[in-house]
Amino acid sequence: DGGITQSPKYLFRKEGQNVTLSCEQNLNHDAMYWYRQDPGQGLRLIYYSQIVNDFQKGDIAEGYSVSREKKESFPLTVTSAQKNPTAFYLCASSRVPEAFFGQGTRLTVV
Amino acid sequence: DQQVKQNSPSLSVQEGRISILNCDYTNSMFDYFLWYKKYPAEGPTFLISISSIKDKNEDGRFTVFLNKSAKHLSLHIVPSQPGDSAVYFCAALRSYNTDKLIFGTGTRLQVFP
Repeated sequence: DGGITQSPKYLFRKEGQNVTLSCEQNLNHDAMYWYRQDPGQGLRLIYYSQIVNDFQKGDIAEGYSVSREKKESFPLTVTSAQKNPTAFYLCASSRVPEAFFGQGTRLTVV
Repeated sequence: DQQVKQNSPSLSVQEGRISILNCDYTNSMFDYFLWYKKYPAEGPTFLISISSIKDKNEDGRFTVFLNKSAKHLSLHIVPSQPGDSAVYFCAALRSYNTDKLIFGTGTRLQVFP
């Protein structure tokens, strides 16, 4: 079955630590995205990538980093520079006309 | 600059009636428009899409209408069911030189008995 997989589902991080969220897709989609959702809020774009080895900042990229070494994978690192990292993170992939999401990772800073 | 807007943060509809969710956009370069349904702590699930060359697409209880001159699309759910209660996001997808998915802020639909 083709799909997009995020892991882990829940993640706890101590303040000052970097943490990496995984996103893998086997849909052969070129574009991949990371969004953040806060309670009662919409989806805000962190980073997106249209091809391997290339990515662009979204609306709220500060404190985050990504890589796109393989078409299938688009990991997101939440760095210690991110002031308020506790949120629900969603990864998506697309190839016109379709776009699909993973099930999300809830990150909590403790 | 919010390129895709959902101006109604919430909507309450009685079971069996029609739900109409609205979405406006500013960029005429979008090729496709998609609607997603999202439950708390889950990823959005795809509902229905429409190409910019069409003005209507129907799938069961869900119909999406596109008015390009007004840069407006709407999702109609008929009849509404309690299980439809969720947050609905519209999204626009642009190809040509880029492939970028842009979302609206969402509308929370509550269907009551």
